Amino acid sequence: AQSVSQHNHHVILSEAASLELGCNYSYGGTVNLFWYVQYPGQHLQLLLKYFSGDPLVKGIKGFEAEFIKSKFSFNLRKPSVQWSDTAEYFCAVLMDSNYQLIWGAGTKLIIKP
Amino acid sequence: DSGVTQTPKHLITATGQRVTLRCSPRSGDLSVYWYQQSLDQGLQFLIQYYNGEERAKGNILERFSAQQFPDLHSELNLSSLELGDSALYFCASSTPPDTQYFGPGTRLTVL
Repeated sequence: AQSVSQHNHHVILSEAASLELGCNYSYGGTVNLFWYVQYPGQHLQLLLKYFSGDPLVKGIKGFEAEFIKSKFSFNLRKPSVQWSDTAEYFCAVLMDSNYQLIWGAGTKLIIKP
Repeated sequence: DSGVTQTPKHLITATGQRVTLRCSPRSGDLSVYWYQQSLDQGLQFLIQYYNGEERAKGNILERFSAQQFPDLHSELNLSSLELGDSALYFCASSTPPDTQYFGPGTRLTVL
């Protein structure tokens, strides 16, 4: 079955640390890839997306993600996190088989000041 | 502001009751999606409508139903409410296969 895995459910970092959140999917066809962020008490907002072209995509607030097709991965990175990055991060994959968006379980990120 | 609006923001009701949540999509978006988010279940996709027709179903209970009207707004009806239905209900809209944009959500509390 098609699925999206976010391996870390909780991540705790100190300010200025580098961040990498993993996202892997199981599907061999064409995909559109998304990272959303949900700040405490708020709704989901789009961080970045990949449809085609340069596999390294840059999003808002200094986030970037790299699509590695051979690894079925779309990991989210940020070189230096801030306390305000405390949020839950969701990876989502749109597969061309049925154009349904499949969601990862989310990763709760806590940044210690 | 995503352009997706949801009403009401908060809803408090009793077990056994029925409520209706409303969503207006972004201008030009044809698809509406409903999600439930709770502490124990996380983010769950409920149902998708596209231009008035049901397109996909997720983990939606039989007590829940939805529809999309000709003006493209959507309503989610929750009936015979149980304590476990307390959650945040989000609506999102898109023109597939493009990005889904989320509304601010309705927080439902069932007492």
